[in-house]
Amino acid sequence: QSVLTQPPSASGTPGQRVTISCSGSSSNIGSNTVNWYQQLPGTAPKLLIYSNNQRPSGVPDRFSGSKSGTSASLAISGLQSEDEADYYCAAWDDSLNGREVFGGGTKLTVL
Amino acid sequence: QVQLVQSGAEVKKPGASVKVSCKASGYTFTGYYMHWVRQAPGQGLEWMGWINPNSGGTNYAQKFQGWVTMTRDTSISTAYMELSRLRSDDTAVYYCAREVYDSSGSYNDYWGQGTLVTVSS
Repeated sequence: QSVLTQPPSASGTPGQRVTISCSGSSSNIGSNTVNWYQQLPGTAPKLLIYSNNQRPSGVPDRFSGSKSGTSASLAISGLQSEDEADYYCAAWDDSLNGREVFGGGTKLTVL
Repeated sequence: QVQLVQSGAEVKKPGASVKVSCKASGYTFTGYYMHWVRQAPGQGLEWMGWINPNSGGTNYAQKFQGWVTMTRDTSISTAYMELSRLRSDDTAVYYCAREVYDSSGSYNDYWGQGTLVTVSS
């Protein structure tokens, strides 16, 4: 059971806009920043969004993040076939002497 | 360019230990914490803990305390994660990941390629 809650799946057609939600609590999302990772099949996770809404160099601006209270979301606009991947939200949690917590992951399918 | 290169796949018997290495290059090894995250087959990501390569200080997830040991060798810019008393459900891909901590928050910007550890009798 993951500390952060994500929908297990999402889908869209090419060109569409898709959003993935991530729900937490006051000890994690409510008091710390949220990061998003993209994991293509058979590869290591890759940083996609950090500090709620910042994109690392090289990440297309089709990807955007937001946070409000104890929830966060990842939006992907102009969906492309290469966006088909697993997406994980993550945040630091202040409980239990501090720990990093992840969502269970959302598998995005491009129809 | 920053690179984290991990050691190769391992097959271990239940009750044994495994030690995975993560060699860093392209940056000052002692300037960034190193995290370890694992992923069981078909499952999500699970944080195991971090090591401060500068001091050697560690912070383990409660689940892994007494069971995992994270060390480093600064002379070769390498971090290690050793897991003891392996069970079949420790079968997973183990990743190291560099942490950036700045005014905007904390995040893992570079990840190793992963090391598959298979525990089977």
